[in-house]
Amino acid sequence: DSGVTQTPKHLITATGQRVTLRCSPRSGDLSVYWYQQSLDQGLQFLIQYYNGEERAKGNILERFSAQQFPDLHSELNLSSLELGDSALYFCASSVGSSGGSETQYFGPGTRLLVL
Amino acid sequence: LAKTTQPISMDSYEGQEVNITCSHNNIATNDYITWYQQFPSQGPRFIIQGYKTKVTNEVASLFIPADRKSSTLSLPRVSLSDTAVYYCLVGGWNSGNTPLVFGKGTRLSVIA
Repeated sequence: DSGVTQTPKHLITATGQRVTLRCSPRSGDLSVYWYQQSLDQGLQFLIQYYNGEERAKGNILERFSAQQFPDLHSELNLSSLELGDSALYFCASSVGSSGGSETQYFGPGTRLLVL
Repeated sequence: LAKTTQPISMDSYEGQEVNITCSHNNIATNDYITWYQQFPSQGPRFIIQGYKTKVTNEVASLFIPADRKSSTLSLPRVSLSDTAVYYCLVGGWNSGNTPLVFGKGTRLSVIA
């Protein structure tokens, strides 16, 4: 158990809909990272928040947005969903802001299926 | 861009040592090299991290040559439970490179 929690575990929705994925980081961690993993694909970095502020952006679509709240939990909002958005979405956390030079702790993921 | 290249897959018998090499020709001065392990339908898990030379912990060793353009993850005496995908990550926010490019990983299959 990494200490990172994600809800829901599974999500099934229809095209055009909007969903919200939630992540709670490990106690004491200030950074939250969001990743997308499609079938047989590697991890695609989407976005990072550090202590409430956006820190870095990766391959995040304009239909997707995220935020980190004062209690440090984060939400990833996916709107106007398309079939291709079906994937595993992982959240990770770390103590500091240097995602490449420190350990990231990953949550169990949310499996999104868009029908 | 700190792009990494790894073999797509590897097979090994139980009890053997497995070495997985990652190429990162554009590694920046401030970049670290980190390896993660991922089992199906689970989040990746940190294995080991290094900057240069050799790092060893209770589960693996990481060898980094002087030019740091590649790194090798060494798993001693693998077991069936080591069957997983292994990702090499190179990066650090201060390096100026695009951060957190994981790549597609190496799928290790351990055979009894």
